[in-house]
Amino acid sequence: NAGVTQTPKFQVLKTGQSMTLQCAQDMNHEYMSWYRQDPGMGLRLIHYSVGAGITDQGEVPNGYNVSRSTTEDFPLRLLSAAPSQTSVYFCASSYKTTITEAFFGQGTRLTVV
Amino acid sequence: KQEVTQIPAALSVPEGENLVLNCSFTDSAIYNLQWFRQDPGKGLTSLLLIQSSQREQTSGRLNASLDKSSGRSTLYIAASQPGDSATYLCAARLRVTSNTGKLIFGQGTTLQVKP
Repeated sequence: NAGVTQTPKFQVLKTGQSMTLQCAQDMNHEYMSWYRQDPGMGLRLIHYSVGAGITDQGEVPNGYNVSRSTTEDFPLRLLSAAPSQTSVYFCASSYKTTITEAFFGQGTRLTVV
Repeated sequence: KQEVTQIPAALSVPEGENLVLNCSFTDSAIYNLQWFRQDPGKGLTSLLLIQSSQREQTSGRLNASLDKSSGRSTLYIAASQPGDSATYLCAARLRVTSNTGKLIFGQGTTLQVKP
């Protein structure tokens, strides 16, 4: 049972570099989302998707891009990394309906220097 | 704007004690509320999910209650053990569309159970 898989687990970037955080789920969930977790701020929603080809912004979308070409994958792209994007990133998925629980990946710890 | 608050931010108890963690939310128009556990450096593990039409859910030594009218949920842990030490997060699912919700998280309560 893989569930929600995030790669990489750790990453160090230099300011201005770009990278993609990968998220894949094998539960055929329509709904996928990205959160960042910062001390004192809790988890905040970055972007979410309700199905392939459909994405929308969350609370803190600036500096991040997403796309959803398949049901299984929901990558998060940082186009030009900034130190303010140093955080732990979590991907989550659930069925589209509003009554089901969300499942989370193990997180990606990103440091931008 | 929906806000989710968890009090206290940290809690330390001796082993064997029963304890209650609190979660409050400002908008009662939620689909459900979910409790998670997070160990240091790890992801979130779902503990209990309470639908808006339910009053409580139980799993082993855990019992979660929901009172939508007062905007509160509690997580009750019976006979606490050192292995229960972790951060506990609650998240309220808000309506985005007629069939989609998004989770709004509290900042968590960090629990330490001393042997």
